[in-house]
Amino acid sequence: AQSVSQHNHHVILSEAASLELGCNYSYGGTVNLFWYVQYPGQHLQLLLKYFSGDPLVKGIKGFEAEFIKSKFSFNLRKPSVQWSDTAEYFCAVNANTGFQKLVFGTGTRLLVSP
Amino acid sequence: GEEVAQTPKHLVRGEGQKAKLYCAPIKGHSYVFWYQQVLKNEFKFLISFQNENVFDETGMPKERFSAKCLPNSPCSLEIQATKLEDSAVYFCASLRARGLTEAFFGQGTRLTVV
Repeated sequence: AQSVSQHNHHVILSEAASLELGCNYSYGGTVNLFWYVQYPGQHLQLLLKYFSGDPLVKGIKGFEAEFIKSKFSFNLRKPSVQWSDTAEYFCAVNANTGFQKLVFGTGTRLLVSP
Repeated sequence: GEEVAQTPKHLVRGEGQKAKLYCAPIKGHSYVFWYQQVLKNEFKFLISFQNENVFDETGMPKERFSAKCLPNSPCSLEIQATKLEDSAVYFCASLRARGLTEAFFGQGTRLTVV
């Protein structure tokens, strides 16, 4: 069965600090990888996705993620965070074939102080 | 439409009452997924549909929960005889097709069982 681990449950940063959120998954086959963001009181929005190709993926709002297959990791990065990045961030995977259901990590709550 | 529409936004039910939630997927999307988010983090997959057919129901509780996707109607998730632990935000997501596609999420329905 697939599983996703997000190591940081809460992260507090000052504006302009750099961000890296860890995500590791467990699955033997080919996966699709996603990072979603949930702003307070809102639904999930897709930040970026990886299906294949260049393992460094660029998403919206200056976010990027790197897929390292040997480490089963898909860490999210942003060089300089803003107050508006305060949100909950979820890493998710689904199998490239099969039922397509997303398996989510438990999320990382990011608080950016002005 | 261009977004996943979920109704109602909020639903309050007394223990033992029935709750019914609705989801209209993005036009042209063949797959609908239901997820339950408890305590603002963990997303639990419930059930998915391919058009009006159940695609994967491995996450569906055996008792009290049922779901349908009928032609020309919003999909629905129904909980008979709600319990306190059913309090959660229920998200619906739609997918255009299987494979290399991303899920688009609705705004969610917050169910509170009192």
